[in-house]
Amino acid sequence: AQKVTQAQTEISVVEKEDVTLDCVYETRDTTYYLFWYKQPPSGELVFLIRRNSFDEQNEISGRYSWNFQKSTSSFNFTITASQVVDSAVYFCALSEASAGGTSYGKLTFGQGTILTVHP
Amino acid sequence: NAGVTQTPKFQVLKTGQSMTLQCAQDMNHNSMYWYRQDPGMGLRLIYYSASEGTTDKGEVPNGYNVSRLNKREFSLRLESAAPSQTSVYFCASSGGGKNTEAFFGQGTRLTVV
Repeated sequence: AQKVTQAQTEISVVEKEDVTLDCVYETRDTTYYLFWYKQPPSGELVFLIRRNSFDEQNEISGRYSWNFQKSTSSFNFTITASQVVDSAVYFCALSEASAGGTSYGKLTFGQGTILTVHP
Repeated sequence: NAGVTQTPKFQVLKTGQSMTLQCAQDMNHNSMYWYRQDPGMGLRLIYYSASEGTTDKGEVPNGYNVSRLNKREFSLRLESAAPSQTSVYFCASSGGGKNTEAFFGQGTRLTVV
């Protein structure tokens, strides 16, 4: 069975601090996909990034960066110079590959990390 | 571009009442999903439909039924609502192309009293 663990329930930082959200996963699949979603106070789920199990390159997108390490089954997310607008619940999720090897919406979510950025 | 649309956005039911949550997507996606979100537990999959004409149970299917009405629409039915079904429900869809993510609706906040 697949499992995703986000050990940090809540994180509180002051604006401009860097913050890292941890995600550890378990799966028996050799092909799988990892995701991060953001849920702002308005409640919708916003897709941030997708990674497949064959691509261990780190990625940077503006103030966001992701560190995927298969050796430790981790997919951590760092926000640099945090802003108040980053305040949200962040979810890490895992999906098996479909029969065609593509990513899938059948997701196993972590419990979520509530990030609060204070001005 | 509407994406995934859920109705209603809010609903209060009495124990034992029934209701259907509606979901429609306009992205021509093959697969659709229903999740529930409870505090401290993330989102959990209730049912999914990998393609039109098929449905399968997810992690927490008890007390729910689904219908994949056509490629666009996927409904979730509570036949006899229970307080334990108080939750926020999300519908999602994903395409069949390579490397596609799931797109989520705005959610339905359901309270069963």
